[in-house]
Amino acid sequence: KAGVTQTPRYLIKTRGQQVTLSCSPISGHRSVSWYQQTPGQGLQFLFEYFSETQRNKGNFPGRFSGRQFSNSRSEMNVSTLELGDSALYLCASSLEDRGEQYFGPGTRLTVT
Amino acid sequence: QKEVEQNSGPLSVPEGAIASLNCTYSDRGSQSFFWYRQYSGKSPELIMFIYSNGDKEDGRFTAQLNKASQYVSLLIRDSQPSDSATYLCAVIGGTGANNLFFGTGTRLTVIP
Repeated sequence: KAGVTQTPRYLIKTRGQQVTLSCSPISGHRSVSWYQQTPGQGLQFLFEYFSETQRNKGNFPGRFSGRQFSNSRSEMNVSTLELGDSALYLCASSLEDRGEQYFGPGTRLTVT
Repeated sequence: QKEVEQNSGPLSVPEGAIASLNCTYSDRGSQSFFWYRQYSGKSPELIMFIYSNGDKEDGRFTAQLNKASQYVSLLIRDSQPSDSATYLCAVIGGTGANNLFFGTGTRLTVIP
């Protein structure tokens, strides 16, 4: 069974621009969660989608948004990029609530 | 504020020894507990999960959970140089189906 895939793997953007990242979960997994990883803050939860609905949201500004499609693929969008948004963005999928989450390889975003 | 705390290390053990990694959490309602291994430049890889008090063994890995003490640990027996990585403790709290709260990670080095 294929794992979680994320595209693109690397991105370089300029302050003020916006970016869209994509995640395809493991087949059959309907929950997709997004996380931001930085050296200073570690791994932090952004939001979770299940059956095209956002169920949970972390403590991030409204510039961070996401959506999920009927095939469970998910996208996250960051608008008006700031230097501090430079991070590894990870998505994870899970089969069950409170169950195991499997991470994709991540998208490394650099904002200059 | 849900918190997950780990000793940041670094922890060094000789090859063949037992590595012991510890984690405490603040939310008494937490229900699911996970250990991830993250190699430098890679995404987190799920290596153990535990939902009930007691021990759970999988090969060279043993996870231990004590909900009364709000403590979860990971033992790695017969440590190998390939076990050298950062180990992340993660907890799903009492609310929010799939929000993973991560510790800052313990960096383990296994010395040949």
